[in-house]
Amino acid sequence: AQSVTQLGSHVSVSEGALVLLRCNYSSSVPPYLFWYVQYPNQGLQLLLKYTSAATLVKGINGFEAEFKKSETSFHLTKPSAHMSDAAEYFCAVSGGTSYGKLTFGQGTILTVHP
Amino acid sequence: KAGVTQTPRYLIKTRGQQVTLSCSPISGHRSVSWYQQTPGQGLQFLFEYFSETQRNKGNFPGRFSGRQFSNSRSEMNVSTLELGDSALYLCASSLESPTYDEQYFGPGTRLTVT
Repeated sequence: AQSVTQLGSHVSVSEGALVLLRCNYSSSVPPYLFWYVQYPNQGLQLLLKYTSAATLVKGINGFEAEFKKSETSFHLTKPSAHMSDAAEYFCAVSGGTSYGKLTFGQGTILTVHP
Repeated sequence: KAGVTQTPRYLIKTRGQQVTLSCSPISGHRSVSWYQQTPGQGLQFLFEYFSETQRNKGNFPGRFSGRQFSNSRSEMNVSTLELGDSALYLCASSLESPTYDEQYFGPGTRLTVT
C-alpha cells in the first residue's frame, strides 16, 4: 500500500531561516504528491502538487518542493521563514493503491521563532 | 467562488447516539471525500462520492456511512457513537477525482463524544 513518512513531527526555525520539511513516499507507480498546510481550527489548504510535469514544483506563499524519484522524496522548502508560516504541514500521496483518495503523512508542526 | 462549507462546526454527543454531518462542495465539484482527523491516527480516509455513488471506502466500521445528493452535497452519518469517534471530520471536494484534481477542504466539524 502507498505510504508517506514525514521525518520530524516538530521543526523549529528562526524567522528568516530556511524551512525544510521532509517527506518520503512509497509507491509502486508514479504517484501524485501534495503538500497541505493546516492552521489551528481550520481545514487543510493546498500548498502545491506534483503531477509529473516538472520535478520542481512551486506553490503558494513562497513554498516549493522537489520530486526526487531516486530518493522517493518530496521535501518542502521555503528560503526564508515568516512568523505566519507557523502551522502543521502534511504531505500526501494519491494514485496506485491510493487511487481515489489521499494518504497522508503524520504531519510536521512548524514553529517559527522571532 | 464560495469554498467548501461544513455544518455544524462543533457537535457534542453522548455515547450510543447517532450524528449526521453535512458538507456543501464548491460549485461545479462533483467529487466529495470525507476524512477523520485525530491526534493518534492522523488523517484517515473515510469514503468518496461521485455522482451520488460511493466510489471508494476506507477501513472504517459500518457505523460510518455517507451519501451524496444530486446537487453534490454530501452527508455522513455515524451511528452508535463511541468515545473513539471524537475527532475532526473534514470534507473535501474536487472537480472529478481526488487522485489528480486538487482537493479543497472545508473547516471541519469537531465532534466530541462524551
